[in-house]
Amino acid sequence: KQEVTQIPAALSVPEGENLVLNCSFTDSAIYNLQWFRQDPGKGLTSLLLIQSSQREQTSGRLNASLDKSSGRSTLYIAASQPGDSATYLCAAVTSGTYKYIFGTGTRLKVLA
Amino acid sequence: DGGITQSPKYLFRKEGQNVTLSCEQNLNHDAMYWYRQDPGQGLRLIYYSQIVNDFQKGDIAEGYSVSREKKESFPLTVTSAQKNPTAFYLCASSIGRDRKFVGNTIYFGEGSWLTVV
Repeated sequence: KQEVTQIPAALSVPEGENLVLNCSFTDSAIYNLQWFRQDPGKGLTSLLLIQSSQREQTSGRLNASLDKSSGRSTLYIAASQPGDSATYLCAAVTSGTYKYIFGTGTRLKVLA
Repeated sequence: DGGITQSPKYLFRKEGQNVTLSCEQNLNHDAMYWYRQDPGQGLRLIYYSQIVNDFQKGDIAEGYSVSREKKESFPLTVTSAQKNPTAFYLCASSIGRDRKFVGNTIYFGEGSWLTVV
């Protein structure tokens, strides 16, 4: 059974700092690994999707990497801004299923 | 605009009562999902459906029921058998069983808050 873990659970950084969020998954047979942002009381918004055959994806100040052999993905945020404050969740889709299994998220606060 | 609409945004349930959460999508997606989120927690899968008139239990299906009579709609009923229903409920959809699935993301509605009174 696929299990997804995110560390740290919460993170507080000063504005302008570069930071890394971590995601681990137990079953490396995946279709893809995705990163989402969730603002308080809202739904999730997709940030980046890395297919099983890919190693990384970039969008603006965000870069996500995937290492299936170690069961890890990282989300790198460059030059953080107060507007980046939110909860970030990763989700893995195990091959042969169409179920998205989510981690518990990292709550990020960027201080002005 | 294309998207997923959940209603109501806030719902209160009395003891012993069944309540139904609505989810409608106009993205022409085959797959739809229901997740539950408790405060400070990740998302747990309740039910999912890959095609009309078919659905599967997720990890926490007990006390919940669904139907998929139309491609656009996937309502969730929280029954009186669900003893701790207070949570944030999220509906989502994706392209489903398609060769393009691996490169396509899942889209979420804005969620519904359910509280037991």
